[in-house]
Amino acid sequence: QVQLVQSGAEVKEPGASVKVSCKASGYSFANYGLSWVRQAPGQGLEWLGWISGYNGNTIYGQRYRGRVTMTTDTSTTTANMELRSLRFDDTAIYFCARDSGIYHVLDNWGQGTLVTVSS
Amino acid sequence: DIQMTQSPSSLSASVGDRVTITCRASQSISNYVNWFQKKPGKAPKLLIYAASNLQSGVRSRFSGSGSGTDFTLTISSLQPEDIATYYCQQTYTAPRTFGQGTRVEI
Repeated sequence: QVQLVQSGAEVKEPGASVKVSCKASGYSFANYGLSWVRQAPGQGLEWLGWISGYNGNTIYGQRYRGRVTMTTDTSTTTANMELRSLRFDDTAIYFCARDSGIYHVLDNWGQGTLVTVSS
Repeated sequence: DIQMTQSPSSLSASVGDRVTITCRASQSISNYVNWFQKKPGKAPKLLIYAASNLQSGVRSRFSGSGSGTDFTLTISSLQPEDIATYYCQQTYTAPRTFGQGTRVEI
């Protein structure tokens, strides 16, 4: 079965960087993309960006361009999302989700990783 | 960016009621809309894709419709386990924006 397992919770200071990983299994990694979505406390869902599992091409939300880098490692079927220059309002749960087909359907999700930005 | 405006922002209904949530896009997006259910402490769950297609394993009381700018998620008979926040998302173009969510209570 399809599984996406994310790395554990992180606490970072403002200005630092955080890297969240997402280990995929149960499907052909190269045939799908992965999207990253976050939810800040009490807020809605926000799309951060997408990466191809085939060739690593990326599309980032304009709001994060310059601060976010998404990568994949096909040998370990793992996707990574690094967010730099962290601010207090980056405190959120970060999710990876398998991104499927032309409708970019987010059909399987990781369990979420809580990133807390605190001084 | 395409804005997705959901209404209402919250609603309260009784078990067995028919519940309708709407989502309006700021421009025409064909049928590039997916719907998710989000419960606290859980990952979002896909309910409907491409506006009207029921995801495998999702109860048939959930349905979706619409095209262009106006979309609807319907729960035909609300159940206690449907208490959650529901989000639409457009995937017509990046950034693939979500609506602000509709909180459903009993």
